[in-house]
Amino acid sequence: DGGITQSPKYLFRKEGQNVTLSCEQNLNHDAMYWYRQDPGQGLRLIYYSQIVNDFQKGDIAEGYSVSREKKESFPLTVTSAQKNPTAFYLCASRVQGYTGELFFGEGSRLTVL
Amino acid sequence: EDQVTQSPEALRLQEGESSSLNCSYTVSGLRGLFWYRQDPGKGPEFLFTLYSAGEEKEKERLKATLTKKESFLHITAPKPEDSATYLCAVPETSGSRLTFGEGTQLTVNP
Repeated sequence: DGGITQSPKYLFRKEGQNVTLSCEQNLNHDAMYWYRQDPGQGLRLIYYSQIVNDFQKGDIAEGYSVSREKKESFPLTVTSAQKNPTAFYLCASRVQGYTGELFFGEGSRLTVL
Repeated sequence: EDQVTQSPEALRLQEGESSSLNCSYTVSGLRGLFWYRQDPGKGPEFLFTLYSAGEEKEKERLKATLTKKESFLHITAPKPEDSATYLCAVPETSGSRLTFGEGTQLTVNP
């Protein structure tokens, strides 16, 4: 079945450590996105990529980094510079050049101890 | 600046009690409005896309409608399993990003 796979589902991190969240899709979508969701809040865009080897900052990119070496993969690294990293992280994708809906993964919950 | 506002923030209904959720938007040249359902601890699940004023789409107990300034998600005779957060989103003017509202948390009591 086609879809978006995020891993791990739950992750605990000590302060000062970097952590990488995985996002893989087999939908053959060109565009991929990372969102952050905090309790009671909407989705905020961290980074997005419309094509391999290219990506753009979203609204809250500080303290995060991404790479897009393969069409299927868009990993997100939460660095120690991110001041409040505890959140629910969502990866999404869609066909490039199409203003249609995003398809989402099941999310990764990061807790900083 | 593109904006999406959802109301109410939270809605509590009795089973069978119909109601509507609102999504108002300000965007230059609407290129679609999307509704999603999100269960706790899960990613949003796509429900509907509406492209032009007057358009309506239905799925089971849900019906989405669109005007030039807002969209409504009507829930007819809801059941407890309809409890979730409902999100709406519109493409930004560039088309490459979506702006999401903060969602309406719906609770349907048996």
